[in-house]
Amino acid sequence: QSALTQPPSVSGSPGQSVTISCTGTSSDVGSYNRVSWYQQPPGTAPKLMIYEVSNRPSGVPDRFSGSKSGNTASLTISGLQAEDEADYYCSLYTSSSTYVVFGGGTKLTVL
Amino acid sequence: QITLKESGPTLVKPTQTLTLTCTFSGFSLSTSGVGVGWIRQPPGKALEWLALIYWDDDKRYSPSLKSRLTITKDTSKNQVVLTMTNMDPVDTATYYCAHHSITGTTALFDYWGQGTLVTVSS
Repeated sequence: QSALTQPPSVSGSPGQSVTISCTGTSSDVGSYNRVSWYQQPPGTAPKLMIYEVSNRPSGVPDRFSGSKSGNTASLTISGLQAEDEADYYCSLYTSSSTYVVFGGGTKLTVL
Repeated sequence: QITLKESGPTLVKPTQTLTLTCTFSGFSLSTSGVGVGWIRQPPGKALEWLALIYWDDDKRYSPSLKSRLTITKDTSKNQVVLTMTNMDPVDTATYYCAHHSITGTTALFDYWGQGTLVTVSS
């Protein structure tokens, strides 16, 4: 069982916004800002979408944004497009023995 | 341009040892702040981090698999090797290697290989 909890699925219509949560504890998400988000379309390798809670790598559309409040990090996708349909994973890097942990993943369906 | 590619057996028998090689280009594993990690994904399931090795040969392992994993690097060949002992059918997964960057405030896997599917079966 993943130490980071994500909803199994979310959905939205084209043009709408959706938010995917990633919930941990005060010892992990609540204590570290090294939260990343990865997008994985079916049959492909993960792609980095957000790092350090809210930073976007070059080339990632600004429709993708990240935030954190307390023990929960969130990924928001605005102006949904069909190409956004994929699995999304949060990840956290800590200085504890667990070091790197991924969330259980969320399947985004664009209706 | 950073690229990574995993190679190794597609089929291993239970109790055998798996050896996977990640061959990369576009960066040097002797550069400060750089690492290479391994992550796996069983069919239909979530990503699971396995191991990381850094430019200074610092190594980190998943606590749940630490006793079975060894990660090494060959900087001259631009390769990172992961070995996993005592393979079991539950270890059937796609295994990815990824470029890792770490600073005082940032840590991320920013480039991934295509992955290699390893099936454990007798």
